[in-house]
Amino acid sequence: EDQVTQSPEALRLQEGESSSLNCSYTVSGLRGLFWYRQDPGKGPEFLFTLYSAGEEKEKERLKATLTKKESFLHITAPKPEDSATYLCAVQERLAGFQKLVFGTGTRLLVSP
Amino acid sequence: DAGITQSPRYKITETGRQVTLMCHQTWSHSYMFWYRQDLGHGLRLIYYSAAADITDKGEVPDGYVVSRSKTENFPLTLESATRSQTSVYFCASSGQRGSYEQYFGPGTRLTVT
Repeated sequence: EDQVTQSPEALRLQEGESSSLNCSYTVSGLRGLFWYRQDPGKGPEFLFTLYSAGEEKEKERLKATLTKKESFLHITAPKPEDSATYLCAVQERLAGFQKLVFGTGTRLLVSP
Repeated sequence: DAGITQSPRYKITETGRQVTLMCHQTWSHSYMFWYRQDLGHGLRLIYYSAAADITDKGEVPDGYVVSRSKTENFPLTLESATRSQTSVYFCASSGQRGSYEQYFGPGTRLTVT
């Protein structure tokens, strides 16, 4: 069964203090790995899709990387507005439909 | 404004009552999904639809019914609500098969008393 594990569960940073969030996964064949941002009381907002090991995607202060077993979301010089829960999801290659398996997320709090 | 909308945003209902959550998207996406989000479980798929009149079960379908008569609408019905169905429900949609990212609505917070 597909499994997605995110760590840490919660992370507290000072503004400007860079760090990384981890998403480890076990699937029989990865079709894609997705990162989402979720603000309190809102739906998840799509950030990145990564398809193969070695791939990287960047958006402002965020950079997502992918290996064969895990993905990292690097946050460089974060600002308070980066505070949110970050969700990781994987899609298995053999899935007959667009099934995403989500992790439980990392709650990020950036203090000024 | 284009996008995906859900209604109502908040709903309180009693055990045993039927309740329908609405989802509407303006992108003409083929795929639509219903998830529930609970602490400690993350997002879990309830039902999905690949096109109008094509629906199938997800991970946690028991107690729920869906229909999709039009591409843009995907209502979720709780036939006889139970307290265990208290949750936040998200609708999502996805476009062509080559584009797998899903776009989520704002959610409906449902409380069953």
